[in-house]
Amino acid sequence: GDSVTQKQGQVTLSEDDFLFINCTYSTTTYPTLFWYVQYPGQGPQLLLKVTTANNKGISRGFEATYDKGTTSFHLQKASVQESDSAVYFCALVSTGNTGKLIFGLGTTLQVQP
Amino acid sequence: GGIITQTPKFLIGQEGQKLTLKCQQNFNHDTMYWYRQDSGKGLRLIYYSITENDLQKGDLSEGYDASREKKSSFSLTVTSAQKNEMAVFLCASSIHRDWGKDTQYFGPGTRLLVL
Repeated sequence: GDSVTQKQGQVTLSEDDFLFINCTYSTTTYPTLFWYVQYPGQGPQLLLKVTTANNKGISRGFEATYDKGTTSFHLQKASVQESDSAVYFCALVSTGNTGKLIFGLGTTLQVQP
Repeated sequence: GGIITQTPKFLIGQEGQKLTLKCQQNFNHDTMYWYRQDSGKGLRLIYYSITENDLQKGDLSEGYDASREKKSSFSLTVTSAQKNEMAVFLCASSIHRDWGKDTQYFGPGTRLLVL
């Protein structure tokens, strides 16, 4: 079945550090890929979305490239701020006509001032 | 723009109790979803509905009922709360144009604790 793997459970950085969050996926199709961000006490909100292989999504300084060769969709940001502290989820739309999102387990980012 | 409202924000129940969670959206979206979020397990789909009065089971539907009486609202019932259960229930909605590309928008969640 479809799956998403985020290997890092927690990432701790200092302000202005480079961010890299790993995401790989497994599916039989070329799915739409998402990154959602969840702040404490809130629901996940869309950070970026890419529908086509080999394309890049960019939003609020974050970027992720849809790499169908390595089945990866890693999230990067050149310089993080304390306000970026949150949980980041990688997700894909599952095969079949349900619209169901398959989420990774999430990566908690803590940025220290 | 629009907003998804979930009530209550916090829900404390007793073992065996029937508990109902409500979700309202003003996006005028067709499809609505209920997910459960457990620490360390990510989000899992409980039920979804593609239109008023439609209900479809997700991966985690056992122990839950759902109701979609209006396009704008989607309710979830925990049929018998389990002792020490603790989770966040997230409602989401999307416009139904393309199953493979629609973006889901999430509400703030209902936090459940069963004593």
